Amino acid sequence: GAVVSQHPSRVICKSGTSVKIECRSLDFQATTMFWYRQFPKQSLMLMATSNEGSKATYEQGVEKDKFLINHASLTLSTLTVTSAHPEDSSFYICSAINATNEKLFFGSGTQLSVL
Amino acid sequence: GDSVTQMEGPVTLSEEAFLTINCTYTATGYPSLFWYVQYPGEGLQLLLKATKADDKGSNKGFEATYRKETTSFHLEKGSVQVSDSAVYFCALSDQGGGNKLTFGTGTQLKVEL
Repeated sequence: GAVVSQHPSRVICKSGTSVKIECRSLDFQATTMFWYRQFPKQSLMLMATSNEGSKATYEQGVEKDKFLINHASLTLSTLTVTSAHPEDSSFYICSAINATNEKLFFGSGTQLSVL
Repeated sequence: GDSVTQMEGPVTLSEEAFLTINCTYTATGYPSLFWYVQYPGEGLQLLLKATKADDKGSNKGFEATYRKETTSFHLEKGSVQVSDSAVYFCALSDQGGGNKLTFGTGTQLKVEL
């Protein structure tokens, strides 16, 4: 079946550094990918919608200069957390829409811890 | 705005027990409702869905009925198994929202022998 691979699954970094998270659709083309964030005991919150070859659309309150999204190909979207701070520590998860059948598939998530 | 509220976990049950995970929602219009399941180390997977009032979604022994009058979509299973241990997310997609989902907090279920 269709699989979305998200990497890394867990990352620990120092405050001020940047972290890149990759989201790949392994056996289908994804024209649209979504990035979510979940703080402890809170809901998965949509951060941005990423369309291949165009700029991402960010949800209200999400800093586009801090959370850089690149969707340069039909199988890969990346989220870069720039100059990470402890308050950015969270669970990040991506999802991708199969362009053929419009079904939605999720990655397994990335737990980011900023020290 | 849209929101989804689901019962807090973790929920611990013995095998073959009856499961209910409550979910209520707030939305404008007529949303579609979903339950997703996340097994350890895997991505969220669609478990079941309902697109209009009184629809019942079902899959793998799980059921949920779209109740417009109570704005609820409670997940039930008559007899849980150890393999059902996972995190369950209730979600909605607003009419015309495409694949944009609003999620609840997730409920962790642990089933013991």
